[in-house]
Amino acid sequence: GAVVSQHPSWVICKSGTSVKIECRSLDFQATTMFWYRQFPKQSLMLMATSNEGSKATYEQGVEKDKFLINHASLTLSTLTVTSAHPEDSSFYICSAFLAGGRVTDTQYFGPGTRLTVL
Amino acid sequence: AQTVTQSQPEMSVQEAETVTLSCTYDTSESDYYLFWYKQPPSRQMILVIRQEAYKQQNATENRFSVNFQKAAKSFSLKISDSQLGDAAMYFCAAGVYANSGYALNFGKGTSLLVTP
Repeated sequence: GAVVSQHPSWVICKSGTSVKIECRSLDFQATTMFWYRQFPKQSLMLMATSNEGSKATYEQGVEKDKFLINHASLTLSTLTVTSAHPEDSSFYICSAFLAGGRVTDTQYFGPGTRLTVL
Repeated sequence: AQTVTQSQPEMSVQEAETVTLSCTYDTSESDYYLFWYKQPPSRQMILVIRQEAYKQQNATENRFSVNFQKAAKSFSLKISDSQLGDAAMYFCAAGVYANSGYALNFGKGTSLLVTP
């Protein structure tokens, strides 16, 4: 099946610094990627929808100036957490959409990135 | 907006037995998908099964099947012949269909324990 990778898999940073997380679709092109956030023992919450070549669409309550999303190509989307603070510590998961028509189009998830802000 | 509710925080099943995980949803959309995802300790989301809302027939994937009750907005997952490897967190999710993809709304999850 299709593979989505995320880099890094985990990162520890100091408060006030910025962190970039990459999401790549390895063997297919994804016009749309999604970013989710998962707090410990909680569900996934959609943060934003990323479309190649256009601005991301953020969910209500998500600060777009804090969580910068760039969908630079059909295989790469990046999430930058700017001026990170301890409350931004979470598990960030991306997914990439493989279009194939109603029957076969599928969303593939990356393995996630654990961010810890000290 | 869509909301997904999983009322069972934890479930337990004995190996080789059958277990059913419950999920209800609410949506004003007519064209949507429903999913069950498995999240093992590795945190990798694994698609278990999907159901297109326009299809009346319940989806099945090997030991996994769903009971889709559209009018009741219910979407339960049945796992037959449970195996130790089925132990994980299970999330029910709903997404509105679009050519560019479907953002998913997840329930809070059900932790499934499989005992030998």
